[in-house]
Amino acid sequence: EVQVLDSGGGLVHPGGSLRLSCVTSGFTFRTYAISWVRQAPGRGLEWVSGIRDGGTRTDYADSVKGRFTISRDNSDNTIYLQMNSLRAEDTAVYYCARDFTMSGGPPTHFDHWGRGTLVTVSS
Amino acid sequence: EIVMTQTPLSSPVTLGQPASISCMSSQSLVHSDGNTYLSWLQQRPGQPPRLLISTISNRFSGVPDRFSGSGAGTDFTLKISRVEAEDVGVYYCLQSTQYPRTFGQGTKLEI
Repeated sequence: EVQVLDSGGGLVHPGGSLRLSCVTSGFTFRTYAISWVRQAPGRGLEWVSGIRDGGTRTDYADSVKGRFTISRDNSDNTIYLQMNSLRAEDTAVYYCARDFTMSGGPPTHFDHWGRGTLVTVSS
Repeated sequence: EIVMTQTPLSSPVTLGQPASISCMSSQSLVHSDGNTYLSWLQQRPGQPPRLLISTISNRFSGVPDRFSGSGAGTDFTLKISRVEAEDVGVYYCLQSTQYPRTFGQGTKLEI
């Protein structure tokens, strides 16, 4: 059974940093891309960042580019999202999602999701 | 950036009756590999999103066959043949053809 477990959220002051983790199991981790998607309180879904299966390609939404860094450790099936220079508008539930990827193709849809971890940026 | 526009944003429905949600993209979602990467997700109250349909019309494992997807190019539709109480929630379309990935605003389905 595919499992995705996201964690690391909390309360942080504006300008501060936080690192989110996403631990996965039940599939061959190194062959899948993974993304982070966030949802501000009462709002819709916003894709934040993604990392390809090999880890050589990363992508970011303009709203977080230069402040957030996504990385992966294929030895322990974990994805990280390092968030720096946090702003009030980064307050949201952050979801980790497996990004279905056919061999040699692009990531195409989010088929398994974590339960989310809440990040609150406030003074 | 591709903008995804859903209509309606809110849809009161009657149990046992059909429902339909439209999603339009600001540009074609046909990828250079010939596929169209449009998917639909459901988010029940207090729950994470759940994949319903990928690549326009492919139902995900465990999704009831009352859910169906159709469309091409820039116009897509999610249909529920007979709404059940457990279908209450917000539905999102998502394009994965081009980065950044973008979602529709969401359509709230309420009984």
